[in-house]
Amino acid sequence: NAGVTQTPKFQVLKTGQSMTLQCAQDMNHEYMSWYRQDPGMGLRLIHYSVGAGITDQGEVPNGYNVSRSTTEDFPLRLLSAAPSQTSVYFCASGRDQETQYFGPGTRLLVL
Amino acid sequence: SQQGEEDPQALSIQEGENATMNCSYKTSINNLQWYRQNSGRGLVHLILIRSNEREKHSGRLRVTLDTSKKSSSLLITASRAADTASYFCATERSGGSNYKLTFGKGTLLTVNP
Repeated sequence: NAGVTQTPKFQVLKTGQSMTLQCAQDMNHEYMSWYRQDPGMGLRLIHYSVGAGITDQGEVPNGYNVSRSTTEDFPLRLLSAAPSQTSVYFCASGRDQETQYFGPGTRLLVL
Repeated sequence: SQQGEEDPQALSIQEGENATMNCSYKTSINNLQWYRQNSGRGLVHLILIRSNEREKHSGRLRVTLDTSKKSSSLLITASRAADTASYFCATERSGGSNYKLTFGKGTLLTVNP
């Protein structure tokens, strides 16, 4: 199993641009989530999904959209990138929220 | 606001010594988890302890939970250089939405060879 994969590994955006961070898992997990990690802040939950077609907001959802059309994929969309969205983004999946498997992360720099 | 807060923020020890890090949280929880993050990598789940448990072991890891004090500790025995990483506690709050994990800011552990 590849586990949780994220693409791209690194991205530079200009303010106002949009982009989609991809996340896929091959473990047939129902639960998937997106976090951002900023220096000194730990991980903060952006959005999560408990199954295909079901998504909900986390702690810091503003500026981000998600959808879950399949069990395997959970893309995160930045609608209009802002410098405050410069961060490392982690996708995670699990059978439930109790034990999560994390991807390697996407480093995003917004200029 | 952060639900879990790790203490200390940074810890430096010699190989072979034990490392203890603590996590305090604010609200009632269903469970508390510890994760490890090596530099530049994703997080790896280490251990989960439920609110009705007081202690759990996994290899060289020992986790305790004191719900009356809203605190947990992670003990790594006989540390190795490979244990150098950041360690995070994460809590699942009880009541309301049970699908969210809240992470602390982490403890950076350095094990010197």
